[in-house]
Amino acid sequence: EAGVAQSPRYKIIEKRQSVAFWCNPISGHATLYWYQQILGQGPKLLIQFQNNGVVDDSQLPKDRFSAERLKGVDSTLKIQPAKLEDSAVYLCASSITGTGRTDTQYFGPGTRLTVL
Amino acid sequence: LAKTTQPISMDSYEGQEVNITCSHNNIATNDYITWYQQFPSQGPRFIIQGYKTKVTNEVASLFIPADRKSSTLSLPRVSLSDTAVYYCLVGPNNAGNMLTFGGGTRLMVKP
Repeated sequence: EAGVAQSPRYKIIEKRQSVAFWCNPISGHATLYWYQQILGQGPKLLIQFQNNGVVDDSQLPKDRFSAERLKGVDSTLKIQPAKLEDSAVYLCASSITGTGRTDTQYFGPGTRLTVL
Repeated sequence: LAKTTQPISMDSYEGQEVNITCSHNNIATNDYITWYQQFPSQGPRFIIQGYKTKVTNEVASLFIPADRKSSTLSLPRVSLSDTAVYYCLVGPNNAGNMLTFGGGTRLMVKP
């Protein structure tokens, strides 16, 4: 079974530039998550989708971050404009339904963003 | 959301059993306890989940006392490849409820 795919793996940009990350979840997984992980810290949930609808985006900095999941499959996370403090690893995860005691999140390898 | 407290770091030696304890004093009735493992440059990986008493799988055991205010992840006979960060998460495992990762416990296994 193919895992969660993310691209690019690495991205270096200058502050005030824009950047987009792509995620392809495991086939059949209805729930998709985007996390931000700053070096030395645990992942912080930015947004959670159930199919193509947003379940929770309370921690998404909406003035500069946006995310979409068209057709309930792939998702993109965009930052515009980027700030120095956005330097982090952006992780995408998916789970089957987001319900039930055995609902496990499967993570992709992440995209490491460096903002100069 | 229940807050969790874990040791920042732990050291062990190959072949030893490692126990990592997580405190979650304000755990709610419908909360589950889940542990994830993260290696450098990789996303977290699910290890084990439980609600009460003891759960065991091929990787680890999870011990949860009756009051559920803490839990202990037990790794039997660790090897160098078990060096990673281990996260304890507490929360309801259903749609619309997000899980929160804390700082995790950095386990260093030495030869």
